[in-house]
Amino acid sequence: KQEVTQIPAALSVPEGENLVLNCSFTDSAIYNLQWFRQDPGKGLTSLLLIQSSQREQTSGRLNASLDKSSGRSTLYIAASQPGDSATYLCAIPQGGSEKLVFGKGTKLTVNP
Amino acid sequence: DVKVTQSSRYLVKRTGEKVFLECVQDMDHENMFWYRQDPGLGLRLIYFSYDVKMKEKGDIPEGYSVSREKKERFSLILESASTNQTSMYLCASRGVFEQYFGPGTRLTVT
Repeated sequence: KQEVTQIPAALSVPEGENLVLNCSFTDSAIYNLQWFRQDPGKGLTSLLLIQSSQREQTSGRLNASLDKSSGRSTLYIAASQPGDSATYLCAIPQGGSEKLVFGKGTKLTVNP
Repeated sequence: DVKVTQSSRYLVKRTGEKVFLECVQDMDHENMFWYRQDPGLGLRLIYFSYDVKMKEKGDIPEGYSVSREKKERFSLILESASTNQTSMYLCASRGVFEQYFGPGTRLTVT
């Protein structure tokens, strides 16, 4: 059964810093991996989806990488801003099913 | 842009009441999902549906049922609400690969 871990649970950085969020998974036979952002009390917003055949996906200041062999994905945020403060979650489909397995997220605070 | 809407942002109900949470998506997606999210437990799948009138139990279906009479609408039903069902409820629909989420319903059962 797939398990997804995100460490650390919380991260606080000064504005302008480049940072990396981590996502680890136990079963490397994945179809894709999706990164989400969640603001307090709100739903999830899809940031990036990276297919198993891809190594990277980029959107603006965000870059997601995938290394299936090591069971890791990273979300790189360049030049962080206070508006980036949110919880970031990664999710992977469970086996060949429609179900997503979520990590518990990393709560990011970017201080002005 | 994909839009997933949920009928209420906040809801307060009494123990024993029957509660309906509705979710509508506008992208003709076949797959729709209901999750609940609790501090320390993360997101847990309650039910999902892969077509009209088709449903499958997720990880925590007890105390819930669902209805999918039309492709765009997926309803979550709490047959007899209990205080342990106080939670944030999130609906999602799935396109080719990505899941898209609604804004969530914060349900409080008193």
